[in-house]
Amino acid sequence: GAGVSQSPSNKVTEKGKDVELRCDPISGHTALYWYRQSLGQGLEFLIYFQGNSAPDKSGLPSDRFSAERTGGSVSTLTIQRTQQEDSAVYLCASSLATRNQPQHFGDGTRLSIL
Amino acid sequence: KQEVTQIPAALSVPEGENLVLNCSFTDSAIYNLQWFRQDPGKGLTSLLLIQSSQREQTSGRLNASLDKSSGRSTLYIAASQPGDSATYLCAVSGNTPLVFGKGTRLSVIA
Repeated sequence: GAGVSQSPSNKVTEKGKDVELRCDPISGHTALYWYRQSLGQGLEFLIYFQGNSAPDKSGLPSDRFSAERTGGSVSTLTIQRTQQEDSAVYLCASSLATRNQPQHFGDGTRLSIL
Repeated sequence: KQEVTQIPAALSVPEGENLVLNCSFTDSAIYNLQWFRQDPGKGLTSLLLIQSSQREQTSGRLNASLDKSSGRSTLYIAASQPGDSATYLCAVSGNTPLVFGKGTRLSVIA
């Protein structure tokens, strides 16, 4: 597709379960970013990939969160043993390069932990 | 630590008015500043990106300015339309990829 694609669009799960969120970036974009948007917290950076490597994981809130990227394309964000405070919209973005190129965002995955 | 503040948090204007949204940031060591639009339930749409060496960027009815030394940016929207209603987010790129403000929620009333 022409834009960044994220799946699922909505995910409801029980506390303690693991979830996996997927991001398909724009073809040819080498940089990929994950953000989290919570009510009252705004948008916070989680992790960024350049190719398949993650030079900056500083935003991951705990060791329950991990992400990988394969083939320089698709990325998955995994949250283990989910907690209610993990409920948020998880947004993925991609860009041609880091720093000085505009980031293009997907519509996000709305995660609700019961 | 970089902090980005947007004022006002919400704004309601009649159709046709010109308006200004404000963004300030605490660390002037940035690579660029980007303005986004977010519609309810959607992701972010990039509106304008200003490199740190630039003073302003224009796209249609939108004009964004950057004063890096004072840590300020403004987004000017001319002749506002109901379709401009959305949340507008400012973000700066420095040592972390993007740091966002909490946004200004704009309502343009027909």
